[in-house]
Amino acid sequence: EPEVTQTPSHQVTQMGQEVILRCVPISNHLYFYWYRQILGQKVEFLVSFYNNEISEKSEIFDDQFSVERPDGSNFTLKIRSTKLEDSAMYFCASKREQYGYTFGSGTRLTVV
Amino acid sequence: ILNVEQSPQSLHVQEGDSTNFTCSFPSSNFYALHWYRWETAKSPEALFVMTLNGDEKKKGRISATLNTKEGYSYLYIKGSQPEDSATYLCASPYSGGGADGLTFGKGTHLIIQP
Repeated sequence: EPEVTQTPSHQVTQMGQEVILRCVPISNHLYFYWYRQILGQKVEFLVSFYNNEISEKSEIFDDQFSVERPDGSNFTLKIRSTKLEDSAMYFCASKREQYGYTFGSGTRLTVV
Repeated sequence: ILNVEQSPQSLHVQEGDSTNFTCSFPSSNFYALHWYRWETAKSPEALFVMTLNGDEKKKGRISATLNTKEGYSYLYIKGSQPEDSATYLCASPYSGGGADGLTFGKGTHLIIQP
């Protein structure tokens, strides 16, 4: 069964550094997403991406964050100048219209 | 902003017993209700996407119902097995658009005791 692949599974970074989280969505999916879950809290929507541009973003997704689909297969989330409160599990997901999402297994980001 | 709530937060069930838990959501501007099963260190796995009031869906021993008028969905597990131990998440989209983000509940953490 096709999978959404995320790398790395765990990333530790110094506060203030930039990180790039990588995702390979399912190849025939059209919509791409990033979500995050801070420990003990709900899974939160960050951003959706369709037709090579951002479709929706939450208030969490401020200028610190950006997304790219540089080569038609990878879908990346860049977090600039990381803060302690950015520590969370970050999930990538993709879907075709009218079907449920397929989620990756997440990248655990730890900012120290 | 949607408010999606799940109860209970955690549940211990004896193997072989049946169980159910609840997801509540705003009944106005309803588009869909998703259920996911999430095991530790794995990706959340889609169980059901429900859109119609009165809908009932089934996947093996797991089933779900939907009441959009009163804003709740139940997930039922019949004859619980240890492999059913997981966190069960429900979620609802912000809008009816294709690129809709989901608002998640906090999940029900189910532990099946042998």
